[in-house]
Amino acid sequence: NAGVTQTPKFRVLKTGQSMTLLCAQDMNHEYMYWYRQDPGMGLRLIHYSVGEGTTAKGEVPDGYNVSRLKKQNFLLGLESAAPSQTSVYFCASSSIPGERGQPQHFGDGTRLSIL
Amino acid sequence: ILNVEQSPQSLHVQEGDSTNFTCSFPSSNFYALHWYRWETAKSPEALFVMTLNGDEKKKGRISATLNTKEGYSYLYIKGSQPEDSATYLCAPYKGSGNQFYFGTGTSLTVIP
Repeated sequence: NAGVTQTPKFRVLKTGQSMTLLCAQDMNHEYMYWYRQDPGMGLRLIHYSVGEGTTAKGEVPDGYNVSRLKKQNFLLGLESAAPSQTSVYFCASSSIPGERGQPQHFGDGTRLSIL
Repeated sequence: ILNVEQSPQSLHVQEGDSTNFTCSFPSSNFYALHWYRWETAKSPEALFVMTLNGDEKKKGRISATLNTKEGYSYLYIKGSQPEDSATYLCAPYKGSGNQFYFGTGTSLTVIP
């Protein structure tokens, strides 16, 4: 029962470097989400996807790009990392929210530090 | 963006005490509300999904109620135990925009 798996779990980057965070789910969920969590703030949605090949902007999309080439994977990219992107990143997946009673399933998070 | 408020921000209770906290959200276009339990160094786990005005859900010593007309939900914990220590998040869903908006959570510490 893997559920939602995020890799890597920790990463330290220098300003200007790029990297990709990978999220994989094995529950055949249509919806996938990337959030960031900062001290004193709730989980804030960066980007989300409602199905393979689709992506959409969330509340705080600037500086990030995403891709959903396969239904089970959702990638979050930082093209040119900035210190303001230091955060803990969570991926989540769910069935279609319109099907009531379906919660989001979260990965364990990726702690990213930008120096 | 949905304005979601949770109160109190943090709470310390003695083992055995009962406690409750509030999630407030705009009542217009309400579709569903999720409650999550988030332990330190772990990922959020779903507690309840609530959809109908007047809904009451229960899981062991934890229960929740929902008032969609006035825009609030209460989470109750009866006879708190140290293992209940966690942050409790609520996330309303409007049914359009495909987005959940999370509150900042209520951090509960149960003192043995």
